[in-house]
Formats: sequence, C-alpha cells, structure tokens
Amino acid sequence: EVQLVQSGAEVKKPGESLKISCKGSGYSFTSYWIGWVRQMPGKGLEWMGIIYPGDSDTRYSPSFQGQVTISADKSISTAYLQWSSLKASDTAMYYCARHPKYSSGFRYFDYWGQGALVTVSS
Amino acid sequence: EIVLTQSPGTLSLSPGERATLSCRASQSVSSSYLAWYQQKPGQAPRLLIYGASSRATGIPDRFSGSGSGTDFTLTISRLEPEDFAVYYCQQYDSSFPLYSFGQGTKLEI
Repeated sequence: EVQLVQSGAEVKKPGESLKISCKGSGYSFTSYWIGWVRQMPGKGLEWMGIIYPGDSDTRYSPSFQGQVTISADKSISTAYLQWSSLKASDTAMYYCARHPKYSSGFRYFDYWGQGALVTVSS
Repeated sequence: EIVLTQSPGTLSLSPGERATLSCRASQSVSSSYLAWYQQKPGQAPRLLIYGASSRATGIPDRFSGSGSGTDFTLTISRLEPEDFAVYYCQQYDSSFPLYSFGQGTKLEI
C-alpha cells in the first residue's frame, strides 16, 4: 500500500527555522517525484515545488523560490520542506504528494500525505 | 503563466442530481496535463481524474472528465451524499510556475 506519512503539527515563532518531513512507503521512492502543496487557512491549493529523489532534481514555483528549500534523503525514503526564517504568513497546511515520472506522459499527484499544519505566531 | 478559472464558485444540488463543474484555462493545456481532485473538510485532496478523462484507481464511474484546449469539465452523474466537497482542477505547463490549481468549486447540498 502506497503511503506518504508527514511529520506532525508545528507551532513556531517568527524568525525560527523549521524542517518538515514526508516519508514514502509501499513503492519505489526513487522512481516518483514528490511535490509540496500549500493550503492557507480557508483557501485553495498552491504548488510550491517538486523533487525527484532519484537524482535530487528540484524545481520551485517562482512564488516560493528562495523562501523554502526542498530536499530528499533516498536512503530513508523521506522528502523535506524547510524554512530558515518563518513568517506569520507561512501559517498553513502543507501537503506532500507523489507524482509519476515525467516519462509517463501525465502530470498529476496521485497519493497525498495527511498534511502538516504549521502555525507561526509570536 | 496559465491561470485556471473554475465555475461556478459554489454549486448547490441534491443527492441524485447531476453536477457539471467547469475549469477554463487562460491558454491551451495539453489534455495529458489536466487533473481533477476532491477535497473534503479536514482531509487531503484525492485524485479523481488525470489526463483530462482517465479515472484514478478506485474512483467510481459516476465521475467523468472531458474537454480539451482551454475548456475542461468534471461531471458527477448522480450525486451521492459523500460527493459534497470542494473540487480543484490542476494543470502543468513547461513554463513556470509549472503547476497551478484552479480556485476550487464547492459542491454543497
């Protein structure tokens, strides 16, 4: 069974750093991309970036480039999303999601993590 | 940047009725690169349709997708109580930001 299990909810202060995780299981972690999607309270879905754990090829949305860092450790089948200095506006639910290889000809996110709620407040 | 506009913003229907949700792109989108998701309160999104018209694994056949170019449609033939949720379309384009989602359609009873 394919599963993406994310780390738990976080409460942080502005200016603090944070790294959240997404562990894949039930499939070949290095053969699929992992994307990250933000959902601010009561709002829609925003694509942040995507990584291919097989070779760490990473692409970012211009809206998030320089604001977050996406990485992966294929030895433990885990992808990460990190901030060096959080802002109150980073308060949101963050989802990781699996994406097939681009050679499949399709572009979609088929399995999603349960989400990680990040709250940034002084 | 391709912008996806979903309509209507809210759709009020009853169980057993047919729902038609629209997703319009600001530029042509390859059908292979158009997907639909369902999100219920407190849950992660769930993939319904990929490639504009292919149902994802385990998705009931009352869900169907159609369209091409700039106009895409998600149809739910006979609404079940569990179908009341928010629905998003998503596209990919090789120019940045690569992926984008529509703003969502809320399907309510």
